[in-house]
Formats: sequence, structure tokens, C-alpha cells
Amino acid sequence: EDQVTQSPEALRLQEGESSSLNCSYTVSGLRGLFWYRQDPGKGPEFLFTLYSAGEEKEKERLKATLTKKESFLHITAPKPEDSATYLCAVHAGNQFYFGTGTSLTVIP
Amino acid sequence: GAGVSQSPRYKVAKRGQDVALRCDPISGHVSLFWYQQALGQGPEFLTYFQNEAQLDKSGLPSDRFFAERPEGSVSTLKIQRTQQEDSAVYLCASSLAWSGTETYNEQFFGPGTRLTVL
Repeated sequence: EDQVTQSPEALRLQEGESSSLNCSYTVSGLRGLFWYRQDPGKGPEFLFTLYSAGEEKEKERLKATLTKKESFLHITAPKPEDSATYLCAVHAGNQFYFGTGTSLTVIP
Repeated sequence: GAGVSQSPRYKVAKRGQDVALRCDPISGHVSLFWYQQALGQGPEFLTYFQNEAQLDKSGLPSDRFFAERPEGSVSTLKIQRTQQEDSAVYLCASSLAWSGTETYNEQFFGPGTRLTVL
């Protein structure tokens, strides 16, 4: 069965304290892995797409990497405005499978 | 505005009522997706359109759920005889297309409709 698992469920960081979020997946025929940010009461906001193992993408303090079984979202020197839920999704067939997200809180 | 809009933003229905949720995608976007997001969970895929064609509806939880996009732009998700387990946020997303490069695959989400069934 296709599955996407994110860890940890919640993460509290001090401002400036770097860390990584994990997304592991078991799907047949991966066509792409996506990272989104979701703020309370809003729809997800696209961050990155990764298509093949070894690929990396960066945007400001965020860096996403992909292996054959998992993806990491690295957050370098986070700021309070990075607080949000980070969702991972995989594209297989015509469908998107989302994980349950990691709720990140960055404390000033 | 240039983004995906959804209406209503909030809907309260009595159990057994029918509801219709509307999605206005970004103009020119070929692909449109509906998702259901329960509290504290990630979005779950419901259905996918390419223009007016519904290419995948395997995520619709029951035959009480029906989606349409008759002219390839605005889409409506209809839920008949609502049940309490239908309470969730319903998200709509659109993308330029659904193949090829990252630019085409990026999904833009609307703010969602929060449905509460009493």
C-alpha cells in the first residue's frame, strides 16, 4: 500500500537552531516528491519538487534532498516566521499522497 | 485576485443536507484537484480533472460525493446526504498542467472550505 510518513510530528526549535524534517515513502512509480508549507487556516503553499534520488533544491533557509526512500527538509538558522506545518507529498499515477505533516515552532 | 478561490469559506450543514462547494482555479490552469483535510491530518486526494475530463475519482469516499467541471474552469464538489464524518476542510488546487517540468506541476491551493456537519 502506498504510504507517506513524516517525522517528527512536532518540533520546537530555538531561533537559529538548525534541524531536519523527514519524509519517508513507499509508493510504486514515484513521479515526484513535493514539499509544502501550511499556515493555520490556509491552504498549502508550494516549496519544492524533487524528481530523482540525489536531487537537491534550496530556497532561503530551506534545503530539500531526496533519496530512493526518503526526503529531508533541512532548515538552517530558522526564524520565528518559519513556524508552520510542513507537508510532504508524493506523486504516483494521477494521485498525490500527503503525509500528516510536521508542526514546526521556532521560539525567539 | 490571481489565486485559487473557494466558496463558501465556512459551511455548516445539518446531517442529511446536500452541500455544494465551489472552486475557481487560476485562469488558464488545465489541472484541478480536490482534497479533503481532517483536523491535524494531511490532505487526502479526492479527485482530479484535466480540463473538463475527470481523470481520476478513486479518492471519493462514497457515491454521495460528486465533482464536476463542465467547462474546464470552475469546479463544484457536491456532497449529498451529509454525514458527521464528512466534516473537514475541503481544499481545491490547480496547476498549469500535470506533466513535464516543475513549473507545470506546481499546485496552487485555495484557502479551503471548512464543512461542519451537525
